Amino acid sequence: DAGVIQSPRHEVTEMGQEVTLRCKPISGHDYLFWYRQTMMRGLELLIYFNNNVPIDDSGMPEDRFSAKMPNASFSTLKIQPSEPRDSAVYFCASSPMDSLPYGYTFGSGTRLTVV
Amino acid sequence: AQSVTQPDIHITVSEGASLELRCNYSYGATPYLFWYVQSPGQGLQLLLKYFSGDTLVQGIKGFEAEFKRSQSSFNLRKPSVHWSDAAEYFCAVGARPGNTGKLIFGQGTTLQVKP
Repeated sequence: DAGVIQSPRHEVTEMGQEVTLRCKPISGHDYLFWYRQTMMRGLELLIYFNNNVPIDDSGMPEDRFSAKMPNASFSTLKIQPSEPRDSAVYFCASSPMDSLPYGYTFGSGTRLTVV
Repeated sequence: AQSVTQPDIHITVSEGASLELRCNYSYGATPYLFWYVQSPGQGLQLLLKYFSGDTLVQGIKGFEAEFKRSQSSFNLRKPSVHWSDAAEYFCAVGARPGNTGKLIFGQGTTLQVKP
């Protein structure tokens, strides 16, 4: 099992550009979570999906952020337009439903820098 | 509302010394409790978890944690620290019932190990 795969590992972009972060969860996992990690705010849950359906997006900071899960093996987190304050490490995690809340497997994260 | 406090932002211990990382939570009932470890540039790895039963739980890498309801605490311990334990440690709580999947993380404690 390759684990949760995130791409890219690092992204540097200019303010105002669109950024798309990608996540491939572990096969068979029903839940997918997007977290953001910053020095100031620590780890924040942005949104999570169950069986590809968004369940709770209350952590999405603003309308510039959107997330999709078109199928069970792929999710994206998009920021448009990006701002310097979006600079953070974004983690994706997945879990099988019968292991909640203890089955989280995290990806290695995408370090986003907006200049 | 649920919250997690890790009072110590940074801790330094000598290799071979014992370790205790503090975690206090706020929740209306007994939550699910977790400790995760994050090595530099990596995602979070689950060390141990508590759901019910024995309040002293054993985890991987020689770690243990004790749930104390009266103190709303879930402190992580290790009798003898190894240099490879240097990392950031996160305490987290999950709501009951557990199938919402959401975890609330503390701000983290960075552990430095002196030779």
